[in-house]
Amino acid sequence: AQTVTQSQPEMSVQEAETVTLSCTYDTSESNYYLFWYKQPPSRQMILVIRQEAYKQQNATENRFSVNFQKAAKSFSLKISDSQLGDTAMYFCAFLTNAGGTSYGKLTFGQGTILTVHP
Amino acid sequence: GAVVSQHPSRVICKSGTSVKIECRSLDFQATTMFWYRQFPKQSLMLMATSNEGSKATYEQGVEKDKFLINHASLTLSTLTVTSAHPEDSSFYICSASNRQGTYEQYFGPGTRLTVT
Repeated sequence: AQTVTQSQPEMSVQEAETVTLSCTYDTSESNYYLFWYKQPPSRQMILVIRQEAYKQQNATENRFSVNFQKAAKSFSLKISDSQLGDTAMYFCAFLTNAGGTSYGKLTFGQGTILTVHP
Repeated sequence: GAVVSQHPSRVICKSGTSVKIECRSLDFQATTMFWYRQFPKQSLMLMATSNEGSKATYEQGVEKDKFLINHASLTLSTLTVTSAHPEDSSFYICSASNRQGTYEQYFGPGTRLTVT
């Protein structure tokens, strides 16, 4: 079974600064997807960024980028120019592309509460 | 973009009663829907996976007779919490996936259930 670990329960950053959220995972598969989701106080889950394991290039979406280290099974999220609206709980998630009972199921990390201070 | 709705957004029920939560995909056909439970400041815990027209697959430790899931159409799945107890109070989130070439799950806004 896959596991996803976020070792930072809480983080804080000043507005306009950069912050990096850590995520490690464990899997024996070679083909999978990784995601970062944001859950603001409204509790609506919002997809921030996705990474296909077969792609070596790190994904980027505006101020959000990832550092994907496949061999180390690490998938960190960098938020540049932090904004007050980035305050939320962030979840790293793994999705297998293989068959079997885990097919299509997201495995979430424990989450990191990020607070952006003015 | 793909939109998933949930109804109701909040519900309060008395202990021993049943409550139904609906999850709808508004602009796409959801071949698979997922139901999660989330406690405050914790992660999402997958309860079950439902495919349209077939029985739901429950995760280990989830009582299938207590949490009844029906996925009768490609746009609607329901979760019924039967004989609710205060410990069932939680935030329930559904997500939907269109397996036709995409791996993304689209999440509903969640339902806060309080059992008194």
